[in-house]
Amino acid sequence: GAVVSQHPSWVICKSGTSVKIECRSLDFQATTMFWYRQFPKQSLMLMATSNEGSKATYEQGVEKDKFLINHASLTLSTLTVTSAHPEDSSFYICSASETGRGYSPLHFGNGTRLTVT
Amino acid sequence: EDQVTQSPEALRLQEGESSSLNCSYTVSGLRGLFWYRQDPGKGPEFLFTLYSAGEEKEKERLKATLTKKESFLHITAPKPEDSATYLCAVRLRYNFNKFYFGSGTKLNVKP
Repeated sequence: GAVVSQHPSWVICKSGTSVKIECRSLDFQATTMFWYRQFPKQSLMLMATSNEGSKATYEQGVEKDKFLINHASLTLSTLTVTSAHPEDSSFYICSASETGRGYSPLHFGNGTRLTVT
Repeated sequence: EDQVTQSPEALRLQEGESSSLNCSYTVSGLRGLFWYRQDPGKGPEFLFTLYSAGEEKEKERLKATLTKKESFLHITAPKPEDSATYLCAVRLRYNFNKFYFGSGTKLNVKP
């Protein structure tokens, strides 16, 4: 149980275009989902906390206009990288914790490798 | 300040050579401590949850323990397939949407 599906697993796009990444909790509901970015050989860096039905909370230094987050339902959050540039190339990972289970862990998707050319 | 520190950063073991990974935490209140395994190019895979000091969890060659200040992930007779980065994270008691991650220990088990 507690499976998080992230799609696509990799994407290559041209500079200036936008890319959407989907994160779904398959067998549980998630009021809150989290988006992370991971640079090579580094740990997870929290970008934003996504809240179902309300605005996302962004970490300091993360541009909310570049990284648009929508949490449309209790099982789906999306991250859109707008006007992507090569410096946005990275590994993006989403995660979720089961709603109503305040002691449960985060469950992670398998990540999306974004390459901007 | 809430903080999670993992050591060592990297660990090389021979197959069969047991060892331990450390996760030290300083938080205002602990709701749960979690261990994950991350393979290159993949998202972290959940391993264990520990809630209170003295608790232990086991899974195959892995055993996680918890005290009031730290957690250990013991690896008994490791195999090359145990090579991965191991992450620990804490969930706060008073802000349950806050998770703090350590920087990870990269384990390399040589055959």
